[in-house]
Amino acid sequence: EVQLVESGGGLIQPGGSLRVSCAASGFAFSNYAMSWVRQAPGKGLEWVSVIHGSGGSRYYADSVKGRFTVSRDNSRNTLYLQIHSLRAEDTAIYYCAKAATPYDILVYFDYWGQGTLVTVSS
Amino acid sequence: EIVMTQSPATLSVSPGDRATLSCRASQSVSSNLAWYQQKPGQAPRLLVYGASVRATGIPARFSGSGSGTEFTLTISSLQSEDFAVYYCQQYHNWPPLFTFGPGTKVDIK
Repeated sequence: EVQLVESGGGLIQPGGSLRVSCAASGFAFSNYAMSWVRQAPGKGLEWVSVIHGSGGSRYYADSVKGRFTVSRDNSRNTLYLQIHSLRAEDTAIYYCAKAATPYDILVYFDYWGQGTLVTVSS
Repeated sequence: EIVMTQSPATLSVSPGDRATLSCRASQSVSSNLAWYQQKPGQAPRLLVYGASVRATGIPARFSGSGSGTEFTLTISSLQSEDFAVYYCQQYHNWPPLFTFGPGTKVDIK
């Protein structure tokens, strides 16, 4: 059974940094691209970043480019999102999502975690 | 960037009725279009991919159609568990810049 479990969210002051994680199980993690998608309170879904299964290719939404860094540790089956210079508008639930087919990066998402809430406030 | 729009923003439907949700892309995405369902407090769930292919375990009352820039998700006979927000998403352009529509909320009439 595929499981994705996010952690690391919390209350952070503006300008601060945070790393959120996504622990994966139930599939060959290194074969699949993984994405981060966020959802501000009461708002829609916003794709944030994707990383190839090998970790060699990474892409970001323009809204987060330069402040967010996606990475993965395939030996630990874990996906990460490092967030710097946090702003109030980064307040959201951060979901990790698995690509539906192996080896491709431009693929829809077949499994999602339950999300971790990041709140940016002083 | 490909912009996705959805209509209507809210759809009020009675249980047992048919619901038709629309999604439009600002440029062609071929058939690289997915639909997700999200209930309050839950993560999104994949319903349809490739514009018309139901995901594993999705009931036959859900059907997707369209290609290019115009897409439709139809729920043939709404059940109580179908009241939720529905999002379309394109996964067409390179470099990857997945975009979601703003969502359609299906609520009880």
